[in-house]
Amino acid sequence: GENVEQHPSTLSVQEGDSAVIKCTYSDSASNYFPWYKQELGKRPQLIIDIRSNVGEKKDQRIAVTLNKTAKHFSLHITETQPEDSAVYFCAANLSGGYNKLIFGAGTRLAVHP
Amino acid sequence: DVKVTQSSRYLVKRTGEKVFLECVQDMDHENMFWYRQDPGLGLRLIYFSYDVKMKEKGDIPEGYSVSREKKERFSLILESASTNQTSMYLCASLQGTAYTGELFFGEGSRLTVL
Repeated sequence: GENVEQHPSTLSVQEGDSAVIKCTYSDSASNYFPWYKQELGKRPQLIIDIRSNVGEKKDQRIAVTLNKTAKHFSLHITETQPEDSAVYFCAANLSGGYNKLIFGAGTRLAVHP
Repeated sequence: DVKVTQSSRYLVKRTGEKVFLECVQDMDHENMFWYRQDPGLGLRLIYFSYDVKMKEKGDIPEGYSVSREKKERFSLILESASTNQTSMYLCASLQGTAYTGELFFGEGSRLTVL
């Protein structure tokens, strides 16, 4: 079946450094790619998304890039802060007529002061 | 503010018991989902529903069933709980479509099957 692969599974950075999380997807018809952040003990929440008609989107310290040819998209966090520590999930929508999102396995980001 | 409420945060059940996990959303969303979250495996889709009484299997439906009798309520049922169903279960409601919208998650139900 269709899937989304996410790397790395864990990422440790020093406060102020940048962090990059990468995802690849298999459904060539996918056209929506959201990122969700899950803080410890809390529910996942949408932080940024990108659609297939753009190659990059930025919101303050976070940005997402999309390469449709390579079926690859990435989350970039600059000037990381301790509150960025969380599990991040990438996702892609699936073709086939239903409103389905398939998620990557998640990346646990730890930002050390 | 969209609210998705899962009735039980923590449950402990015995093997073979029937388990009901309830989820209610207050925003009149058509699409609702049940995911299972396990470390290193991410969020895996169990079942979803796109309308009242309509349901579709996700990626891991075996051992589960669902019920959607009212638009706001989507229930996950474990007919005969097994130890490998020990997990965190997340309900979600979709605002819009999977191209335009946002998933709103409940706080999760952590199920332990002994």
